[in-house]
Amino acid sequence: SQTIHQWPATLVQPVGSPLSLECTVEGTSNPNLYWYRQAAGRGLQLLFYSVGIGQISSEVPQNLSASRPQDRQFILSSKKLLLSDSGFYLCAWSGQLNEKLFFGSGTQLSVL
Amino acid sequence: QKEVEQDPGPLSVPEGAIVSLNCTYSNSAFQYFMWYRQYSRKGPELLMYTYSSGNKEDGRFTAQVDKSSKYISLFIRDSQPSDSATYLCASRRGGAQKLVFGQGTRLTINP
Repeated sequence: SQTIHQWPATLVQPVGSPLSLECTVEGTSNPNLYWYRQAAGRGLQLLFYSVGIGQISSEVPQNLSASRPQDRQFILSSKKLLLSDSGFYLCAWSGQLNEKLFFGSGTQLSVL
Repeated sequence: QKEVEQDPGPLSVPEGAIVSLNCTYSNSAFQYFMWYRQYSRKGPELLMYTYSSGNKEDGRFTAQVDKSSKYISLFIRDSQPSDSATYLCASRRGGAQKLVFGQGTRLTINP
């Protein structure tokens, strides 16, 4: 069966520090991969998605970037965090037919 | 106008009640409809998945899609305190990469 791993679960970072969140998927090949952000009490905002290695689509201009160095690995990064980057970050995957989207357990990021 | 609208609640009902959660959408091209359940500080969990119009039942949960009125519903029968969570509806077009989410409704089931 397929599983998605996302870490860390909680992260507290100072303003201006770098960020690297990692997500890996097991049990499937060539998944579509996604990064979402969920602000407190608000819906899910799609940040990036990827249909293959090195292929990244950005949904909103912001202080973040994403990379997909391997088929089942998706990384969310920032060179300098802003206060507004705080939120709950979720990695997700779907098969190539896009039928269903499955989420990881999330990372609560607090930028202080 | 948001493509998927959902009343954020909160909604509070007694244990054993029938719960009705609803969303509306504006894009007539949407063909796939999903409901997710999200516990606090956890990732959303896929609860129901439907294609086009009609009903789908899974245990105590029933998902209903009315494409003529662009209305999506989730019914929970015999609600339990463990059903207390935020419920998110989501939709997408056929072939689309992106899922469009509602804001989520926070539900509390009181023992």
